[in-house]
Amino acid sequence: QKEVEQDPGPLSVPEGAIVSLNCTYSNSAFQYFMWYRQYSRKGPELLMYTYSSGNKEDGRFTAQVDKSSKYISLFIRDSQPSDSATYLCAMSADTDKLIFGTGTRLQVFP
Amino acid sequence: ETGVTQTPRHLVMGMTNKKSLKCEQHLGHNAMYWYKQSAKKPLELMFVYSLEERVENNSVPSRFSPECPNSSHLFLHLHTLQPEDSALYLCASSQDQGVNQPQHFGDGTRLSIL
Repeated sequence: QKEVEQDPGPLSVPEGAIVSLNCTYSNSAFQYFMWYRQYSRKGPELLMYTYSSGNKEDGRFTAQVDKSSKYISLFIRDSQPSDSATYLCAMSADTDKLIFGTGTRLQVFP
Repeated sequence: ETGVTQTPRHLVMGMTNKKSLKCEQHLGHNAMYWYKQSAKKPLELMFVYSLEERVENNSVPSRFSPECPNSSHLFLHLHTLQPEDSALYLCASSQDQGVNQPQHFGDGTRLSIL
């Protein structure tokens, strides 16, 4: 079993839709959770960072962590074509090593 | 110039060639990383440097040789690579080594092995 599972997509939605991106994980020691966005031909950029459980909101983006279910989500409200990218989840225990998901490709069409 | 800069952006090389990838960060960070990104696979951490000392070598074949001459520069020297080494190689930096330190990525070098 992979440590981090992420549906590769592609996920195709119309502009204005609410998007839900998810990752599941197997290591209960994970407590640092991140979401990165990667545009085509670009490196990943950090979108959201959360520690332990709970929600975090930043503009149109909301990150949720449910440690009891070993499940994290990224919600994008009022999605825009400029949100079209690959979204990578990443997480870590109290070590220094980040474990990444394979990424979900999102396409928002006008 | 700001952020993390990687050169070249694209590299095509034969299996017997020797080449180097370069990474430069202008963020004043103390930790630098090399990652490999292959299609449909998670990012794989290759090497970690903190204050110019290698602190992690993630079971990477010896045909990949990193070098960190100072805290702003990181190189990945390549020799006698295999076709399966074709991938996007990403450099990242963070203020210090640690998972509570966000990593800033460059745009990568797309490497193709003939």
